[in-house]
Amino acid sequence: NAGVTQTPKFQVLKTGQSMTLQCAQDMNHNSMYWYRQDPGMGLRLIYYSASEGTTDKGEVPNGYNVSRLNKREFSLRLESAAPSQTSVYFCASRGQGLSGTEAFFGQGTRLTVV
Amino acid sequence: GDSVTQMEGPVTLSEEAFLTINCTYTATGYPSLFWYVQYPGEGLQLLLKATKADDKGSNKGFEATYRKETTSFHLEKGSVQVSDSAVYFCALSRNAGKSTFGDGTTLTVKP
Repeated sequence: NAGVTQTPKFQVLKTGQSMTLQCAQDMNHNSMYWYRQDPGMGLRLIYYSASEGTTDKGEVPNGYNVSRLNKREFSLRLESAAPSQTSVYFCASRGQGLSGTEAFFGQGTRLTVV
Repeated sequence: GDSVTQMEGPVTLSEEAFLTINCTYTATGYPSLFWYVQYPGEGLQLLLKATKADDKGSNKGFEATYRKETTSFHLEKGSVQVSDSAVYFCALSRNAGKSTFGDGTTLTVKP
């Protein structure tokens, strides 16, 4: 059981380049999330999708777009990368959207924008 | 809005020492509370959780009790090991499955 799979694991971009971070889960979860993790700032929610076909902004959505392609897949796109987007990105999923259920995380994508 | 405040780190302990990492929260209603652990180079994984007041979550020797009167969910372990070295995150979830995370506390355990 793979859980939550993110690709790529590492990426270096030049300022202004675009890229898409991929995330897929095999647990039949309804809700999926994209977070970024920066030193001393915990995890900040970028976008989330409570169910297939819906997406909503989180705390820090500027500079990002998302697509909930189907129930399994939730991608994050950087249209024009900036050095401020250097971070570690985590995708997560949760079953049924109930508050008592835990989130399952991918292993992360370490992105550097130069 | 919702918020989680964790004890600032880093925390350095000797093996077999007692561990406490403080966590307090602000939220309306009755959130569920979680501790997640992140080992180097990995994503977060659930350590323990509690879904209602006075519940105690426990796992791998770690414990935390949901205290609504003090809005706290402090993490404790009686005797830490080198393998417990990691970053620990306190989190709450109130609705729609969205979680609010603390900033994380880095624990280093020395032999």
